[in-house]
Amino acid sequence: QKEVEQNSGPLSVPEGAIASLNCTYSDRGSQSFFWYRQYSGKSPELIMFIYSNGDKEDGRFTAQLNKASQYVSLLIRDSQPSDSATYLCAAQEYNNNDMRFGAGTRLTVKP
Amino acid sequence: EADIYQTPRYLVIGTGKKITLECSQTMGHDKMYWYQQDPGMELHLIHYSYGVNSTEKGDLSSESTVSRIRTEHFPLTLESARPSHTSQYLCASSESSGATWGYTFGSGTRLTVV
Repeated sequence: QKEVEQNSGPLSVPEGAIASLNCTYSDRGSQSFFWYRQYSGKSPELIMFIYSNGDKEDGRFTAQLNKASQYVSLLIRDSQPSDSATYLCAAQEYNNNDMRFGAGTRLTVKP
Repeated sequence: EADIYQTPRYLVIGTGKKITLECSQTMGHDKMYWYQQDPGMELHLIHYSYGVNSTEKGDLSSESTVSRIRTEHFPLTLESARPSHTSQYLCASSESSGATWGYTFGSGTRLTVV
């Protein structure tokens, strides 16, 4: 069983819609959670991180964390074609920088 | 502006050649990592380092080796390249302790062994 699970997609949404990306993790010791965006042929770039249960908003992005359910999600509001990429979820134990990555969900935003 | 640099960006090399992929960072991070990623596939950790003179193998069995003689430099070497080594190699770094802000990745080296 993988430590961080994501639906590989592809997830397709129309421009302007809300894209919802989901992730589950198995290690209850995980404390920090990250969302990376990776454009095709490029390296991952960090877009959001969250430590506490609840929601964290940054512009059009909202990360949600539910530690009881071991569930992390990323919402992208007003999706744009430029949001089309693979989104990687990652989990990390506090004070341990060994980050575990999911396989990623490929998102396509259609104009 | 990139704070972690990988060279070369692309490399095509013949089977049996020895190659070194370079990775340098200017952020003073203690921890550095090498990942291998095939197109459309997940990241696989092949090596990591927690500081100078510290190196460890990752989850993915690899025929490569690494060294960490200086904090800023973490090169990866393949002694004898094979077509199965064809992939993208990503270097990353992070702060060493306490609250973390995630990894910073380099631009990657796309290696093709013919």
